[in-house]
Amino acid sequence: KAGVTQTPRYLIKTRGQQVTLSCSPISGHRSVSWYQQTPGQGLQFLFEYFSETQRNKGNFPGRFSGRQFSNSRSEMNVSTLELGDSALYLCASSLEGRGARTEAFFGQGTRLTVV
Amino acid sequence: SQKIEQNSEALNIQEGKTATLTCNYTNYSPAYLQWYRQDPGRGPVFLLLIRENEKEKRKERLKVTFDTTLKQSLFHITASQPADSATYLCALAGSQGNLIFGKGTKLSVKP
Repeated sequence: KAGVTQTPRYLIKTRGQQVTLSCSPISGHRSVSWYQQTPGQGLQFLFEYFSETQRNKGNFPGRFSGRQFSNSRSEMNVSTLELGDSALYLCASSLEGRGARTEAFFGQGTRLTVV
Repeated sequence: SQKIEQNSEALNIQEGKTATLTCNYTNYSPAYLQWYRQDPGRGPVFLLLIRENEKEKRKERLKVTFDTTLKQSLFHITASQPADSATYLCALAGSQGNLIFGKGTKLSVKP
């Protein structure tokens, strides 16, 4: 069974630009969650998509957005990049995605550096 | 407000000893709690899930306890090895059902 695939692995962008990150979940998983990880804040929840609908959203500004396609693949977009957006962005897929009842499978992450 | 605290940012132990990591939470009533391992530059990897009605769960050299009265979970690695060196994260469901993670404890096992 293929794991969660995130592309690209590394990205360098300039302040003010926008970026799109991609996540392909494990086959059969309908829930995809996105997290931002920084040394100071740890893993912070961005949003969760389930069957193409955003089901939950964390406390991030509207510059952070996402979507999910009918094949469960998900993208997240960050517009007007700021230096503080530099982080490891992680995608996790799971069967249900709710209530911690099932394990989450994480991708390798996309390391975004904003200069 | 809801909080998850992993008491130690870092834990250093000698090979062969038992590592014990702590996860405390406040203002949650989780039905499930999970533990993950994360190596540098990689995504977390699921280790164990424990339900509120389970006091203890084991998997090979790993053991997790869940005390809903103390609002605490303990994670033990027995006969630790240098390969166990990593950051360990506890996670539980937030108010909206999504997984909320503690900041992790970095474990270093010295030979």
